[in-house]
Amino acid sequence: DTGVSQDPRHKITKRGQNVTFRCDPISEHNRLYWYRQTLGQGPEFLTYFQNEAQLEKSRLLSDRFSAERPKGSFSTLEIQRTEQGDSAMYLCASSRDRGNIQYFGAGTRLSVL
Amino acid sequence: EDKVVQSPLSLVVHEGDTVTLNCSYEVTNFRSLLWYKQEKKAPTFLFMLTSSGIEKKSGRLSSILDKKELFSILNITATQTGDSAIYLCAVEAGSNTGKLIFGQGTTLQVKP
Repeated sequence: DTGVSQDPRHKITKRGQNVTFRCDPISEHNRLYWYRQTLGQGPEFLTYFQNEAQLEKSRLLSDRFSAERPKGSFSTLEIQRTEQGDSAMYLCASSRDRGNIQYFGAGTRLSVL
Repeated sequence: EDKVVQSPLSLVVHEGDTVTLNCSYEVTNFRSLLWYKQEKKAPTFLFMLTSSGIEKKSGRLSSILDKKELFSILNITATQTGDSAIYLCAVEAGSNTGKLIFGQGTTLQVKP
């Protein structure tokens, strides 16, 4: 059990650029979640996958955001045309099933200049 | 709208003190409440609570849930500098996704 891993740990980009983050969940975990955390706040839910199916998206997730989980393994979160308001920590979590503990990765800290 | 509120937002204590962190919630179809500790890395799991009145303990940390009054507390006894962190409370409720609704977190600083 190697835990949830996220890559990169830090990303600095200029406004208007596209960025992509990767999350590798704990193996055998069916559920994968993306959250966003801004300074001084708790994480906020963005989207959720059960295996390869994206089953829920928060209204926080604008059209510039897209997430995939091909083959139900790793997941990517892409932000197009980044804005300064996108600066945040993006956290990924996985769990075996509903009602089970969600284990978090260390996050990707995005800074949009 | 589902809501989780933590108090206090920040706390400074000295080593050896006992602290109590609070978490209240208003959600639809409560399923579970979880506590996480967040340092400069991944939030790490502490406790999951589903039933009222049953205390969960791990070393110097303990937590209990009151589903009638809709709150939970996290106690830390004999605090150490290594306890300095943000403590997050989260509730799983409502939908089938299992998504967590988090409070703002309590920032604990333990001074030597």
